[in-house]
Amino acid sequence: KAGVTQTPRYLIKTRGQQVTLSCSPISGHRSVSWYQQTPGQGLQFLFEYFSETQRNKGNFPGRFSGRQFSNSRSEMNVSTLELGDSALYLCASTPDGQIYNEQFFGPGTRLTVL
Amino acid sequence: AQTVTQSQPEMSVQEAETVTLSCTYDTSENNYYLFWYKQPPSRQMILVIRQEAYKQQNATENRFSVNFQKAAKSFSLKISDSQLGDTAMYFCAFIAIQGAQKLVFGQGTRLTINP
Repeated sequence: KAGVTQTPRYLIKTRGQQVTLSCSPISGHRSVSWYQQTPGQGLQFLFEYFSETQRNKGNFPGRFSGRQFSNSRSEMNVSTLELGDSALYLCASTPDGQIYNEQFFGPGTRLTVL
Repeated sequence: AQTVTQSQPEMSVQEAETVTLSCTYDTSENNYYLFWYKQPPSRQMILVIRQEAYKQQNATENRFSVNFQKAAKSFSLKISDSQLGDTAMYFCAFIAIQGAQKLVFGQGTRLTINP
C-alpha cells in the first residue's frame, strides 16, 4: 500500500495570503489528523476528521480550517497567513478512526511565510 | 489539560550501547495510551512502541522497551544495542480515551548514535 502523501512538499507564501495543503491517507484509512510542528512549540494537534466530519479540534485560531472528502482525502486551509505560521505541517491517518491506535504520518508540507 | 515533558533535549551514545529516554506526563484521566514516535532526519515519523495505561506489563518491541510507572506518571523508552539507524528525534505522546481525543506530544529528544 502507498503511504500517506502530502502535497505540496514545500511552499513559500507572504503574510496575508492564504494556503491550502492536501493530505491523502493510506487506502482504507478513514481518520485524518493534522499537526503543526515548529522548533519553539513542538508538535501541536490541529484537528482530526473522520467520515467527512471534524471530530476533534486543537487550540488554534479560526484561521486554521480543514475538511475531508468522501474518499477520505483531507485539506487544511490557513487564511491571512502570519509569520508564526511557518512550520512543518504533518498529517496522519489511522485505519479505523480510533486515533489512539497507531497513526501513520506523511512526510509533511514545509510552509514558509515571508 | 494533559502535558507531556521530555527533560532531555539531546542525547548521544556509542553504537551498541543502551540508552534510556525519559518522559513524564500529567493527567487526571485513568484510561489513556502512551506512545513513543521516532522522526529520523528528513524522514517520516513512525511509531516505535505503544502502551495502554490499564496494562501493567511493559510493552516491548524487539530492541525497544518501556518502563511504565503509572503512579509516578513516567514512561521511559529503553533502546538496547543501539544502531546508527536509531539516530532520530524521539517524541513521547499521550492520548486520553475519553473526552477530547487529541495526541499530546512532548518537546522531543534528539538522539544521536555515534559509530
